[in-house]
Amino acid sequence: AQKITQTQPGMFVQEKEAVTLDCTYDTSDQSYGLFWYKQPSSGEMIFLIYQGSYDEQNATEGRYSLNFQKARKSANLVISASQLGDSAMYFCAMREFQGAQKLVFGQGTRLTINP
Amino acid sequence: DAGVIQSPRHEVTEMGQEVTLRCKPISGHDYLFWYRQTMMRGLELLIYFNNNVPIDDSGMPEDRFSAKMPNASFSTLKIQPSEPRDSAVYFCASSPLFSGANVLTFGAGSRLTVL
Repeated sequence: AQKITQTQPGMFVQEKEAVTLDCTYDTSDQSYGLFWYKQPSSGEMIFLIYQGSYDEQNATEGRYSLNFQKARKSANLVISASQLGDSAMYFCAMREFQGAQKLVFGQGTRLTINP
Repeated sequence: DAGVIQSPRHEVTEMGQEVTLRCKPISGHDYLFWYRQTMMRGLELLIYFNNNVPIDDSGMPEDRFSAKMPNASFSTLKIQPSEPRDSAVYFCASSPLFSGANVLTFGAGSRLTVL
């Protein structure tokens, strides 16, 4: 069964520093997608970035990039030049394309940016 | 587009009462998902629909929970009778397809408190 693990319950980072949020996954499928969502204190779920298992290059979206290491089954989110508005919960999620095809979420990491 | 619309945003009820949560997906999205978020269990997929047909309801916790999608623009999640352990944030999400990089767009959530 697919599984997502986020080992960092909380992280504290100084404003303008880069931060890496860890995500490892487990799946027997060869074809799958990895997603990161942000949940600010207001509660909504905001999509940030997507990586397909067959994508050869790491995904990037503005200040967000995904450090995808397929052999290690990791999909870490990197936020460059952090801002106070980046303080939020961050969720890694995966969907198998051949198996259960459910979007399964990790437990999340609470990121706090300090001024 | 107005996005995924959920109502009510907040619901406080007493144990034993019936609760109905409502969702209007984004027009043209063929897939609709109901998730539940709690501190203990994180984000759990309850059920999802494709073209108004329930595809996977294996996440529905028990018979007290039911979900319907009578048409492409409306879905309900009903809990009857409600119990304190049902207290959670319930999210509805929709997607145009459920493959590849297609992203789930979430509603703002319905926060349910059962006393």
